[in-house]
Amino acid sequence: GAVVSQHPSRVICKSGTSVKIECRSLDFQATTMFWYRQFPKQSLMLMATSNEGSKATYEQGVEKDKFLINHASLTLSTLTVTSAHPEDSSFYICSARTLKAAFFGQGTRLTVV
Amino acid sequence: QQQVKQSPQSLIVQKGGISIINCAYENTAFDYFPWYQQFPGKGPALLIAIRPDVSEKKEGRFTISFNKSAKQFSLHIMDSQPGDSATYFCAATSSNTGKLIFGQGTTLQVKP
Repeated sequence: GAVVSQHPSRVICKSGTSVKIECRSLDFQATTMFWYRQFPKQSLMLMATSNEGSKATYEQGVEKDKFLINHASLTLSTLTVTSAHPEDSSFYICSARTLKAAFFGQGTRLTVV
Repeated sequence: QQQVKQSPQSLIVQKGGISIINCAYENTAFDYFPWYQQFPGKGPALLIAIRPDVSEKKEGRFTISFNKSAKQFSLHIMDSQPGDSATYFCAATSSNTGKLIFGQGTTLQVKP
């Protein structure tokens, strides 16, 4: 299957700082990528759809000013958690689609202290 | 967003047994139904997927059964192994949006 690489896998940051997470499609181009959030022992919740060259589309209830998404190229989307707080601590996962299927990155464990 | 219901929440199966996980959806616009396997601390990995024009798809020990009229689909894991112990998610999407909507997940434990 296609490879989606996410970086970093783990990050700890101080409350009030910003954190950037990168998602790359390594062997295919993705005009659309998706960002999910997963709490412990829960399912994946779609946060936003990242569109190359245009603004991201956010799901209801997701603060677009807190979760900044940039899809600057066909192989890279970034999620920046701004002014992070402890309640933003979670597992963030990106996804990119080929014509056949959706593939996921390894996930990023964010801990805000 | 809760348009895919998955059961059971947890499942314990003996090695060599059959694991069965069920999902039901509401949105008739969904036209792609994948199953993902997730290990702790990792992203979901695609296992197998089906489109509504077929009623069954088999890949190795994994089989999806699909009932379009009932809007239900299930994953069968034959000859379950301890290495299959993981969380399994069903999902659904439509070609129009590409957004995957996930079920709640099933934690499978296969006992040796």
